[in-house]
Amino acid sequence: DGGITQSPKYLFRKEGQNVTLSCEQNLNHDAMYWYRQDPGQGLRLIYYSQIVNDFQKGDIAEGYSVSREKKESFPLTVTSAQKNPTAFYLCASRQTGSNEKLFFGSGTQLSVL
Amino acid sequence: DQQVKQNSPSLSVQEGRISILNCDYTNSMFDYFLWYKKYPAEGPTFLISISSIKDKNEDGRFTVFLNKSAKHLSLHIVPSQPGDSAVYFCAAILEGAQKLVFGQGTRLTINP
Repeated sequence: DGGITQSPKYLFRKEGQNVTLSCEQNLNHDAMYWYRQDPGQGLRLIYYSQIVNDFQKGDIAEGYSVSREKKESFPLTVTSAQKNPTAFYLCASRQTGSNEKLFFGSGTQLSVL
Repeated sequence: DQQVKQNSPSLSVQEGRISILNCDYTNSMFDYFLWYKKYPAEGPTFLISISSIKDKNEDGRFTVFLNKSAKHLSLHIVPSQPGDSAVYFCAAILEGAQKLVFGQGTRLTINP
């Protein structure tokens, strides 16, 4: 069935390590997004991509990187430059048209060891 | 600069009563608004949306009201059920933009 798949569900990062969060969609959506949720805060936009091989920084892009080599995939790398990476990360894709909305994956909880 | 604000971090309602969640925005160029529901450790799920050309949209127990002059929208849930206990986010899309701006969320608790 169609949807967005994020993996892994839980991820631990050691000091100085880069980690990559996976996001795959089979909804045939052009636009994809990465959000971060911290306790008591809303969803903050990290990066987004409107089309393959193109992406833009969101509101809190520092310490993160992305790629969009395929329409279905939008992986997020949390680099060692991100000093406070512990958060719940959400990937989404966008349905456009008359019923415009984002579809979200189930999220990845990243924690620092 | 918080363009979409949910000023109530939490709300507690008795089962069977009406739940009213509020959201304020500052940018008059927002042209589409959405409400999402989120359970812990899960992704948000879409509930209901409204275009800026309307002032009300209804879907079953959920109704969203938009007051453009006040830059305010609200989500009404009636009757409230225990399964409605979750965090609710409002979001807005800027005309011509490609991203959603989310509020901070309101945690709704339905008491039996």
